[in-house]
Amino acid sequence: GENVEQHPSTLSVQEGDSAVIKCTYSDSASNYFPWYKQELGKGPQLIDIRSNVGEKKDQRIAVTLNKTAKHFSLHITETQPEDSAVYFCASPSSGNTPLVFGKGTRLSVIA
Amino acid sequence: DAGVTQSPTHLIKTRGQQVTLRCSPKSGHDTVSWYQQALGQGPQFIFQYYEEEERQRGNFPDRFSGHQFPNYSSELNVNALLLGDSALYLCASSLAMNTEAFFGQGTRLTVV
Repeated sequence: GENVEQHPSTLSVQEGDSAVIKCTYSDSASNYFPWYKQELGKGPQLIDIRSNVGEKKDQRIAVTLNKTAKHFSLHITETQPEDSAVYFCASPSSGNTPLVFGKGTRLSVIA
Repeated sequence: DAGVTQSPTHLIKTRGQQVTLRCSPKSGHDTVSWYQQALGQGPQFIFQYYEEEERQRGNFPDRFSGHQFPNYSSELNVNALLLGDSALYLCASSLAMNTEAFFGQGTRLTVV
């Protein structure tokens, strides 16, 4: 079955710096790999940006997908304290569902 | 536009008991998936319901069962609770089993 590896598990950055989270997948043929942000005590919130192949940007957040290498990444620029959360990458396992999640990255933005 | 809503938000049960969790999907969505999230881990897929039928199932025992109603809402039932069932249970809704899934706030289940 599908396997998703996510790195790093924790990430601390100074406010204003950039943060990059990377994931690799094993089997999926999908062109869409969603990212979720989970704040303490809440459910995962979909980061509403699609990468498809290549790169897609929406203000401070960009997602990239490299299907040849089977990896995708989340880039956050000009980080702010409110970006602090656990971020999960996910890959569809068969067809388009269900989602297989990485183990998460705890991002801390230090003011 | 109401998002995905789950009830209750917190629940404490004793080993061996049974529990029912409820989910109402986002307006316009017809597919509901349930996930279990242990502390410090990513969500693990339990099963998915579409057109009132279980369509896909993850690696969970038969103690975990579900139902989807004609209005697309769903229930997750867990029988013979074990301490290891303590987790955050998440419901996600989507349209026609699409990958773009939206999660509720979850139900925190504690088994004592």
